[in-house]
Amino acid sequence: TQLLEQSPQFLSIQEGENLTVYCNSSSVFSSLQWYRQEPGEGPVLLVTVVTGGEVKKLKRLTFQFGDARKDSSLHITAAQTGDTGLYLCAGGRGAQKLVFGQGTRLTINP
Amino acid sequence: GAVVSQHPSRVICKSGTSVKIECRSLDFQATTMFWYRQFPKQSLMLMATSNEGSKATYEQGVEKDKFLINHASLTLSTLTVTSAHPEDSSFYICSPQGDRGSYTFGSGTRLTVV
Repeated sequence: TQLLEQSPQFLSIQEGENLTVYCNSSSVFSSLQWYRQEPGEGPVLLVTVVTGGEVKKLKRLTFQFGDARKDSSLHITAAQTGDTGLYLCAGGRGAQKLVFGQGTRLTINP
Repeated sequence: GAVVSQHPSRVICKSGTSVKIECRSLDFQATTMFWYRQFPKQSLMLMATSNEGSKATYEQGVEKDKFLINHASLTLSTLTVTSAHPEDSSFYICSPQGDRGSYTFGSGTRLTVV
């Protein structure tokens, strides 16, 4: 059972465009993380959100945690080719294991 | 902080042999270790969870006798793939968790069974 639905699973856009990736669940999480993974490497943490309604910005990336702590979004402004990669959301409940979304494979074309 | 070392990064082995993957937490003590498997173009799937000094808890569908996990110290855990088959070829990733509760991942091990 996939508890975190991530969409879209694949996205290919032109450099300079904006995009949003969504992570949705029917369950409440105490925290939600976003990771980026390069081929042949482990995931690298981008951000952790813990408060409902929280918005965090990391340069051109904006992360939002839903008010009910069941969903999250990642918005990239003016995408660059260096943003290409696999983006993963993962939900946590205290010290329990993380639940991962299916991932979004993002390709930014020059 | 939270530096993780996973070795080897790549390994090729023959069918029927065993392969050991090591995961070390270099600057923190990992009370819990998560082991994940990732097939091409897919997300991470949790295989098992281990606590230092205790037996690992395996996820449904993961054979405990095939994937042996040892977590004998707070800085080292190993995953041994026994009697490897080509279908075991995958990307294996460890994730040690310390008392701070943060999630850190190893760099992964690409296993190819020929």
